[in-house]
Amino acid sequence: DVKVTQSSRYLVKRTGEKVFLECVQDMDHENMFWYRQDPGLGLRLIYFSYDVKMKEKGDIPEGYSVSREKKERFSLILESASTNQTSMYLCASSLLGGKSDEQFFGPGTRLTVL
Amino acid sequence: RKEVEQDPGPFNVPEGATVAFNCTYSNSASQSFFWYRQDCRKEPKLLMSVYSSGNEDGRFTAQLNRASQYISLLIRDSKLSDSATYLCVVIRMNTGNQFYFGTGTSLTVIP
Repeated sequence: DVKVTQSSRYLVKRTGEKVFLECVQDMDHENMFWYRQDPGLGLRLIYFSYDVKMKEKGDIPEGYSVSREKKERFSLILESASTNQTSMYLCASSLLGGKSDEQFFGPGTRLTVL
Repeated sequence: RKEVEQDPGPFNVPEGATVAFNCTYSNSASQSFFWYRQDCRKEPKLLMSVYSSGNEDGRFTAQLNRASQYISLLIRDSKLSDSATYLCVVIRMNTGNQFYFGTGTSLTVIP
């Protein structure tokens, strides 16, 4: 059964804190993605990775960084959290060049920055 | 201009009704199209792909109009369980297969 897990469902942090969001997939997928989802704005791509140690900026990378040291794990880092980073964060994975290109999502982490 | 645009709704329809959603995309280089479904407080999940010739999966029909750059989703005989947000997704190969999501259309099926 396809599975993408995220380290926390809910997280509350203070402005200026360093925040780590972890994502793990057990499907041996090459591609992994981090999105944030906000009302009226939909899902916006922050960063993605096609392979271990590789990363590419998405549409809104400012204020974020990522790490992919192992194929199954993709971490999103907020170096210094700010209130405008309060959002739902969704991780996804997919096969490289997969036939359906389907992305499988984790359950999401709702981050609140106070 | 947004890559993908959808009417956010909400659409409130009675059980058994037929409802249709449209989605427009701005870039003619877009090559793959999907509908995802997202239940309240859940993650998005693939509902169906959209093929040029149109495709049907039970009560759901998806169509693509490349000339007008829109895709549609038709739901027949709506069920209460169809209540969700429906996300239109477009992929452009020249951006490394990046997914572009619409903001979603909210559907509530009323008993």
